[in-house]
Amino acid sequence: KQEVTQIPAALSVPEGENLVLNCSFTDSAIYNLQWFRQDPGKGLTSLLLIQSSQREQTSGRLNASLDKSSGRSTLYIAASQPGDSATYLCAFHIAGNKLTFGGGTRVLVKP
Amino acid sequence: DTGVSQDPRHKITKRGQNVTFRCDPISEHNRLYWYRQTLGQGPEFLTYFQNEAQLEKSRLLSDRFSAERPKGSFSTLEIQRTEQGDSAMYLCASSPGTGGLQPQHFGDGTRLSIL
Repeated sequence: KQEVTQIPAALSVPEGENLVLNCSFTDSAIYNLQWFRQDPGKGLTSLLLIQSSQREQTSGRLNASLDKSSGRSTLYIAASQPGDSATYLCAFHIAGNKLTFGGGTRVLVKP
Repeated sequence: DTGVSQDPRHKITKRGQNVTFRCDPISEHNRLYWYRQTLGQGPEFLTYFQNEAQLEKSRLLSDRFSAERPKGSFSTLEIQRTEQGDSAMYLCASSPGTGGLQPQHFGDGTRLSIL
């Protein structure tokens, strides 16, 4: 059974600092990985999708990497802004395209 | 807005009552998923449909839960004889096509509170 862990559970940084969010998993037999953002009381917004054959994806200030050999994915957010404050979730697509989620990292960017 | 739509956004009910939620996926997305999220946790898979066929149900989905997707369009999730432990955010997602490489798009969820 796939286990997904996100550490730390919460993170507070000053505006302008780069954010590094970690996601680890136990089963390397994944199809792909998706990073999401969730604002309080809202649904999930997809940020990046990395296919299992890829090592990274980039979109604007966001960069996500995938290392199946070590069982890790990292989401980098450059030059953080207060608007980046949210919970960030990683999730793995397994058989049937179901998603297995980590517990999330709650980020606060202080102005 | 052509995203995933869920109704209602909030539902407050007394223990023992039945509740039903609706999800309208992005049009032409043939896969539809239901997840449950409790406070401070990531979402957990409940069930999914490909068109009108319900292909898998999680062990989390007790016999008090039933989901349907008639005609392969919108879906409903019903909870009978609600319990305190059913309080959670119920999220719906959809994705296009088949295969394991399609991103899932989520609605804003229905927050259920059991009194």
